[in-house]
Amino acid sequence: AQSVAQPEDQVNVAEGNPLTVKCTYSVSGNPYLFWYVQYPNRGLQFLLKYITGDNLVKGSYGFEAEFNKSQTSFHLKKPSALVSDSALYFCAVSPLNDYKLSFGAGTTVTVRA
Amino acid sequence: SQTIHQWPATLVQPVGSPLSLECTVEGTSNPNLYWYRQAAGRGLQLLFYSVGIGQISSEVPQNLSASRPQDRQFILSSKKLLLSDSGFYLCAWMRDTITGELFFGEGSRLTVL
Repeated sequence: AQSVAQPEDQVNVAEGNPLTVKCTYSVSGNPYLFWYVQYPNRGLQFLLKYITGDNLVKGSYGFEAEFNKSQTSFHLKKPSALVSDSALYFCAVSPLNDYKLSFGAGTTVTVRA
Repeated sequence: SQTIHQWPATLVQPVGSPLSLECTVEGTSNPNLYWYRQAAGRGLQLLFYSVGIGQISSEVPQNLSASRPQDRQFILSSKKLLLSDSGFYLCAWMRDTITGELFFGEGSRLTVL
């Protein structure tokens, strides 16, 4: 069975500073990897995904993520954080061509002005 | 474009009462459909998924059931609610396992008193 670990419950950064949200995963075979963002009392919004190809994936709102197979990691990054990036971020994994995504526990990002 | 609708958005129910949450998807056909529960604003637990009409897979034994009476309609039900059923319920759809990403509705917040 697949699993995801997000080791930080909370990440705090100042506006304009780089933002990193960590994610490691465990899955049999090659993974599909995803990042989602959730604002209070809303559904999850898709940010980006890795399936194959370039290890650096670019997504919505200036976010990117780097797939590292040897470290089984898929960290989310943004070079310059905005106050509006404050939200709950979820990493998710599934085996290739599988119906089910497994989500991490989420990381709350707070960007202070 | 595709859209997903969930209702009701908020529900307060007494213990022992029935439940029906409805989800519909527009603009696509034969989607994979999912019900997740999010407790305490954190991690997501997959409750049910469906790959076609009348086909329901249950991930966690519990007080809830799901049905898919039409291609783009997914219903979450309970005959008698428990306090532990309180939470934020999210419906999602997946176009296919090749693209792999889920698209979520806005959620239904259930409080059982």
